[in-house]
Amino acid sequence: EADIYQTPRYLVIGTGKKITLECSQTMGHDKMYWYQQDPGMELHLIHYSYGVNSTEKGDLSSESTVSRIRTEHFPLTLESARPSHTSQYLCASSELGSGNTEAFFGQGTRLTVV
Amino acid sequence: SQELEQSPQSLIVQEGKNLTINCTSSKTLYGLYWYKQKYGEGLIFLMMLQKGGEEKSHEKITAKLDEKKQQSSLHVTASQPSHAGIYLCGAAHGSSNTGKLIFGQGTTLQVKP
Repeated sequence: EADIYQTPRYLVIGTGKKITLECSQTMGHDKMYWYQQDPGMELHLIHYSYGVNSTEKGDLSSESTVSRIRTEHFPLTLESARPSHTSQYLCASSELGSGNTEAFFGQGTRLTVV
Repeated sequence: SQELEQSPQSLIVQEGKNLTINCTSSKTLYGLYWYKQKYGEGLIFLMMLQKGGEEKSHEKITAKLDEKKQQSSLHVTASQPSHAGIYLCGAAHGSSNTGKLIFGQGTTLQVKP
């Protein structure tokens, strides 16, 4: 079973508020990812990190920002939430090694901006 | 542009029946991942395939990657209500360990008791 945790699971917040979605993993994985999933739609990569102090933007443009100060922690921040940010956000992690390896996902945070 | 196509988009089967879900890529697959998702929750890793012709099984679910590494199928034998959910294929299009995945749109499976 994957040891990757996201908090909160659900969040309803007003427009203009600053929010941080937490993601932590205890597997010692170097690589971590944030995906965004709208209802009924496919997942899209919005941020990824290959290690501490390394962050890159993904395929889908996002107004969110991320940081990677510790290996186990990869929080996502929205400075000013808008209704268009309403979505499910999924965090994942994988090992750094040769070839492709499994990516393990957290339970997700369902964000609603009103 | 959609790089991974899953079919069918949704499927309703009677308990005990077999079913197959397909995932087709427009590019060579260097890693093909199958996940299962309950609505509104995270993804549960099922299997990863990397080699052409590779086949893996987990309980009653079998996944195959074709020789050309552009199509994968997921086969469920004797379906149970516990198999219900959304099945997602994800693909790594690079041979190096980037780990960044592109996902299909998912196949929603319902199993009628």
